[in-house]
Formats: sequence, structure tokens, C-alpha cells
Amino acid sequence: QIQLVESGGGVLQPGRSLRLSCAASGFTFSDYGMHWVRQAPGKGLEWVALISYDGTNKYNADSVKGRFTISRDNSKNTLYLQMNSLRAEDTAVYYCAKAAPTVTALGMDVWGQGTTVTVSS
Amino acid sequence: DVVLTQSPLSLPVTLGQPASISCRSSQSLVHSDGNTYLNWFQHRPGQSPWRLIYKVSNRDLGVPDRFSGSGSGTDFTLKISRVEAEDVGVYYCMQGTHWPPFTFGQGTKLEIK
Repeated sequence: QIQLVESGGGVLQPGRSLRLSCAASGFTFSDYGMHWVRQAPGKGLEWVALISYDGTNKYNADSVKGRFTISRDNSKNTLYLQMNSLRAEDTAVYYCAKAAPTVTALGMDVWGQGTTVTVSS
Repeated sequence: DVVLTQSPLSLPVTLGQPASISCRSSQSLVHSDGNTYLNWFQHRPGQSPWRLIYKVSNRDLGVPDRFSGSGSGTDFTLKISRVEAEDVGVYYCMQGTHWPPFTFGQGTKLEIK
């Protein structure tokens, strides 16, 4: 059974940094790309970032470019999101999601439960 | 970026009645490989999102057959043939044809009348 468990969320002030983690199990982590998707309070889903199965290719949404970095450690079956220069508008539930197999355009198929990040002064 | 527009945004439905959600794209979602990468997700309260449909009309494993997807080009529809209590939640369409970025519709909140 595929499981994705996010951690690392919290409450912090604007301008600070935070690293989220996503522990994966139940599948061969190193075979799949991984996504981060977020949902701000009262808003819909917003794609944040994608990393390829081996970590060589990374893509970000324009809203986080230059501030957020996606990475992974395949030896630990863990996905990360390093978030710097946080803003109030980054307040959201952050989900990690497994990329669907075979074709990147298929997007994501399995999601974690999410971790909450609140940015407030 | 591709903009997906869902309607309605709120959908009150009587148990056992059908429901339909529209998703319209700002540009054709037909990929150069001939496929159309339009997915539907269900997001129940307090749970993680769950993919229901991929490539317009393909149901994921475990998805009840009362859910169906259709459409082409820029116009897509998710239908529920007979709404059950467990179907309450927010439904999103998502496109992957023109990534990055992957983009979602605004979401349609289904509730029971």
C-alpha cells in the first residue's frame, strides 16, 4: 500500500525558512517523479514543484521560483521542499504526491495527507 | 499558462440524483502525442485528494462506475450517475498537457440537499 507522510509544517514569521519532508513507502520511490501541491485556506489546489525520479530535473511554479527548492534522497525514500523567504501568501496545506507512471503529463496519482504551513507576523 | 474554468462552483444534489461538473480549458488539451491529459480529482473533507479519472475518461482503480468522464479539446465533463453521501467534497479538474505548470480548475463543491 502506497503511503506518503508529510512533516515539517509549522507557524513562522515572514522572511523565515522551513523545510518540509515527505516519507514514501509501498512503492519503489527511486522509479518515480514526485510533486508538491498546496492549498491555501479557502482556495483551490496549486501545483508547486516537480522533481524527476533521479533528481536531475526540477520544475517550479512561477509563484515560488527562486524561493523554494525541491529535492529528494532516494536512499532515504524521502522528498523535500526547502522554502526560503516565506510570505503570508505561502500559508497553505502542502501535499506531496507521487507522479503517475510512464508519462509526466499524467500529473500525480497518489497524495499524502498534507502538512500545514502558516506564515504570519 | 492554461486556465481551467469549472462550473458550477457549488453543486447541491439530492441523494440518488445525477450530478455533472463542467471544466473548460483556455486552450486545447490535445497533446502532440495524440492524448488528452485531463484528470479529475475528488477531495473529501479531512482527506487527501484522490484521483478519479485520468486522460479524460479512464477511471482509476477502485473508483465506482457511477463516476464517468467525457469531453475533448477544450470542454470536459465529470458525471456522477447517482450521488451517494460519500461523494460529498470538492472536485477538481487538472491538466498536464501543457506543463509546466500543471494547472487545476477552481474546484466544485458538491453537497447533499
